[in-house]
Amino acid sequence: QVQLQESGPGLVKPSQTLSLTCTVSGGSISSGNYYWSWIRQPAGKGLEWIGRIYPSGSTDYNPSLKSRVTISVDTSKNQFSLKLSSVTAADTVVYYCARLDHSSGTFDAWGQGTLVTVSS
Amino acid sequence: DIQMTQSPSSVSASVGDRVTITCRPSQGISGWLAWYQQKPGKAPKLLIYAASSLQSGVPSRFSGSGSGTDFTLTISSLQPEDLATYYCQQANRFPPTFGGGTKVEIK
Repeated sequence: QVQLQESGPGLVKPSQTLSLTCTVSGGSISSGNYYWSWIRQPAGKGLEWIGRIYPSGSTDYNPSLKSRVTISVDTSKNQFSLKLSSVTAADTVVYYCARLDHSSGTFDAWGQGTLVTVSS
Repeated sequence: DIQMTQSPSSVSASVGDRVTITCRPSQGISGWLAWYQQKPGKAPKLLIYAASSLQSGVPSRFSGSGSGTDFTLTISSLQPEDLATYYCQQANRFPPTFGGGTKVEIK
């Protein structure tokens, strides 16, 4: 069974770039009909999709964040990564990585989530 | 973006009760809808996909129905472990969007 695990700094200074990595285990990131996504959630609030990447490197981003987001993949390490630039306090949320099933459009495996705080 | 409206925002019910949660997209999405369960401090878990298909391993007391602009998640007999917030998600149009959540509490 595939498992996902987020890693990265829990504290980022305002105006800097947030960087997170998701490591996939229990299966190859390149196999199957899956995209790999980032989703975020403010404390006590709903879920916001950030973007997705296909193993080939093709990406799609939420228009609301597109100007600040870069998602990349390293198939040799079975990892994909998120970079969010020019962060503010509003980016202080829990970030999840998730597997997106292309056929159903649903997120069928999730990481445990990691809280990133933006503060000086 | 397609806006997803869930109701109620919270519900309190007794063990064994039937619980129904509604999700209404701002435009028709055919059957491209999923439901997730998020327990406190945990990541969301996929329960239902394609409006009514039960994800593997999910108890049969969970069911989904609907199409277009009106969808329902039903818990046929509420159990203590069902304490959670439930979210709907549309998979019909880019970008995927989620409802605001329905918190289910046990009386």
